[in-house]
Amino acid sequence: AQSVTQPDIHITVSEGASLELRCNYSYGATPYLFWYVQSPGQGLQLLLKYFSGDTLVQGIKGFEAEFKRSQSSFNLRKPSVHWSDAAEYFCAVGDSGGSNYKLTFGKGTLLTVNP
Amino acid sequence: DAGVIQSPRHEVTEMGQEVTLRCKPISGHNSLFWYRQTMMRGLELLIYFNNNVPIDDSGMPEDRFSAKMPNASFSTLKIQPSEPRDSAVYFCASSPWREGSYEQYFGPGTRLTVT
Repeated sequence: AQSVTQPDIHITVSEGASLELRCNYSYGATPYLFWYVQSPGQGLQLLLKYFSGDTLVQGIKGFEAEFKRSQSSFNLRKPSVHWSDAAEYFCAVGDSGGSNYKLTFGKGTLLTVNP
Repeated sequence: DAGVIQSPRHEVTEMGQEVTLRCKPISGHNSLFWYRQTMMRGLELLIYFNNNVPIDDSGMPEDRFSAKMPNASFSTLKIQPSEPRDSAVYFCASSPWREGSYEQYFGPGTRLTVT
């Protein structure tokens, strides 16, 4: 069964600093990978997705993520964090087989941004 | 597009009462998902539908929970009778689930409090 691990429960960075949120997945084939962001009191918003092709994907709000098959990772990065990026971030993996519509979500990483 | 619509946004009820949560997916999406989010358990998939048919309800916690999707534009999640441990945020998400587009779009959630 597919699974997702986000090793960091809580990360604090200063505004303007770079950011990397880690995500490791377990899946037998090439997965579909996603990053979502949840602001307080809101639903989850899709930041970016990887299905195939270029392993570096660009998303909204200046985020990017890189798929590394050898490391089973899909880490999220941003070169310069803004205070409005404070939120919880979820990595998710989907079944590329096409018959299973589920996404499996990680436990999330809470990002705090210091001024 | 209006996005996924959920109602009510907040629900406070007493133990033993019936609760019905409602969801309108994005027009044209053929898959619908119900999730529950708590601090302790994170984001859990309860049930999902494809073309209005329930595909996997293995995440439904017990018989007190039921979900229906009578047509492509409406779904309900019912809890009867409700218990305090059902207090959580319930999210509905929809997906076009077609080649190249498997991401899920989340509604704003319903915050349920059972006293």
